[in-house]
Amino acid sequence: QLQLHESGPGLVKPSETLSLTCTVSDYSITNSYYWGWIRQSPAKGLEWIGSIYHTGLTYYSPPLKSRVTISIDTSKNQFSLNLNSVTAADAAVYYCAREIAGRHAFDFWGQGTVVTVSS
Amino acid sequence: EIVMTQSPGTLSVSPGESATLSCRASQDVSNYLAWYQLKPGQAPRLLIHDASTRATGIPTKFSGSGSGTDFTLTISSLQSEDFAIYYCQQYRIWRTFGQGTKVEIK
Repeated sequence: QLQLHESGPGLVKPSETLSLTCTVSDYSITNSYYWGWIRQSPAKGLEWIGSIYHTGLTYYSPPLKSRVTISIDTSKNQFSLNLNSVTAADAAVYYCAREIAGRHAFDFWGQGTVVTVSS
Repeated sequence: EIVMTQSPGTLSVSPGESATLSCRASQDVSNYLAWYQLKPGQAPRLLIHDASTRATGIPTKFSGSGSGTDFTLTISSLQSEDFAIYYCQQYRIWRTFGQGTKVEIK
């Protein structure tokens, strides 16, 4: 069964870059699916950040587009999120997930990782 | 951006009863609508996609309906494990989520 696991620093300083990695297990990331990042905060609920195809094609949420980069490393079966110039508003639980083939609903999710923004 | 509005914010239901959750889109999303269940400390769970198609392994107690701008998730005969927060998500244009409906024990 496909598993996803988020990893990265749980604490980021304001104005710095948040970097997270999602490791996919028991499934090849090069199969024809999109892989996405979603976050959850008390203020905004669930918020889609962006998604990437195994070819490297990316789609970003318009409000976050200027600060987000999602990349993929097929050799490690991982994809990553970089969010720069973070503020307290970026504190959230960050999830990685797989999108259903041909649809953009998320059928497999990681457990999530908590990111705090503080100096 | 398509805004998704869920109602009510909180729904108090007695075990064994049914719950009806609503989700409204600010513009037509056709049937590009999913529902999720979130519990603390657990990975979110996809319940419904394409407005009415149950995801793999989802019991028939969960049913979705609607198209265009108005959607409903119905949960029949609620058990303890069903008390959670439920989100809708559209994927007609980009992906946006509703703010969630908390289903709590009455």
